[in-house]
Amino acid sequence: QVQLVQSGSELKKPGASVKVSCKASGYTFTSYAMNWVRQAPGQGLEWMGWINTNTGNPTYAQGFTGRFVFSLDTSVSTAYLQISSLKAEDTAVYYCAREGDYYDSSGYYLIKGFDYWGQGTLVTVSS
Amino acid sequence: AIRMTQSPSSLSASTGDRVTITCRASQGISSYLAWYQQKPGKAPKLLIYAASTLQSGVPSRFSGSGSGTDFTLTISCLQSEDFATYYCQQYYSYPPLFTFGPGTKVDIK
Repeated sequence: QVQLVQSGSELKKPGASVKVSCKASGYTFTSYAMNWVRQAPGQGLEWMGWINTNTGNPTYAQGFTGRFVFSLDTSVSTAYLQISSLKAEDTAVYYCAREGDYYDSSGYYLIKGFDYWGQGTLVTVSS
Repeated sequence: AIRMTQSPSSLSASTGDRVTITCRASQGISSYLAWYQQKPGKAPKLLIYAASTLQSGVPSRFSGSGSGTDFTLTISCLQSEDFATYYCQQYYSYPPLFTFGPGTKVDIK
């Protein structure tokens, strides 16, 4: 069965860096794009961007450029999110999410949203 | 950028009620809309995609409708396990740029 397993909670000081991992299993890792979603405490879901698992090419949403880096290690079916120069406002749960797809009745390949999610990684930034 | 709004932001309902949540896009997105359910401390779960297609394993009391800018998620007979926050998400552009709505919290009356 498809699983995305993320690394554990992190407590970091302002200015430090953190790297969150997302290990995929149960499917061909390079066949599906991987997305990252942030959820600040008590807040909604915020899409951070995605990475093409075939090419390694990342796309960052507005507000997530500069300090945020998506990367891959396809040999171990793992996606990574690295955040540098951490700020208190980076405190959040970070999710990886697989971009699902399907073929419609006309045979067109279409995206269906995020069909599998990791369990989330809480990153706390505090001095 | 496409903006998503949801109404209401929260609602109180009883088990057995019919519940309707509305999602509106700032521009037409055809049927490129998904709905998610999130329970406290858990990852979101995909309920509906392409505005009205039920994801595998999702109970049939959930349904979605709409196209263009206005969409609806309906829970026909609310069950205790349905108390959660619901988010809509658009994925109109290609390469995809996703936007979530602010969420609607459904709690017990």
